[in-house]
Amino acid sequence: DAKTTQPPSMDCAEGRAANLPCNHSTISGNEYVYWYRQIHSQGPQYIIHGLKNNETNEMASLIITEDRKSSTLILPHATLRDTAVYYCIVRVRSAAGNKLTFGGGTRVLVKP
Amino acid sequence: GAVVSQHPSRVICKSGTSVKIECRSLDFQATTMFWYRQFPKQSLMLMATSNEGSKATYEQGVEKDKFLINHASLTLSTLTVTSAHPEDSSFYICSAVQLGVTNEKLFFGSGTQLSVL
Repeated sequence: DAKTTQPPSMDCAEGRAANLPCNHSTISGNEYVYWYRQIHSQGPQYIIHGLKNNETNEMASLIITEDRKSSTLILPHATLRDTAVYYCIVRVRSAAGNKLTFGGGTRVLVKP
Repeated sequence: GAVVSQHPSRVICKSGTSVKIECRSLDFQATTMFWYRQFPKQSLMLMATSNEGSKATYEQGVEKDKFLINHASLTLSTLTVTSAHPEDSSFYICSAVQLGVTNEKLFFGSGTQLSVL
């Protein structure tokens, strides 16, 4: 799986949008971009994933650059409960290759 | 969505004892489960891949005799930390893949905090 690079930490104001960048310059054509988050002392929670097109769900939006070498996770209106470590992962989507390799992630602190 | 139950959530044991951690998929069948370990302020590290009815596949550097994994049914995998020592104190997390589906969403348990005295 391709390696990802994320800033180690960032602060965000409550109610504002949080934009979390991720670089994955060595991503291959069949690898998807996944985002998970981990709230303190809990298991990771799936947020969103995408291949080429931008994606949106009830939790977040995912913007992938045209060359697919980077992406941004957007939390549109951050709340205090969004404080967590956010992991960007790239991997092939297949039944056999479902294991996830976690990098360092970005520790997001939402402040009132 | 699918739920993965992990038990116990916290365990404290004496050095030299063995500890068993259970991971159950509650509303789906999981042919494959994964076990991760996480030290404070570090990322998750994959320990092993557990396949129902066969031997687990361990990542490099993980002792298979130390961390015994059993995946006897499609809904249950167990991790036993044998002869635990203080350095085994960590947060252990399991995840499960839904049977028969190319499932891009791995479901994670809530984790087990192991403290070895």
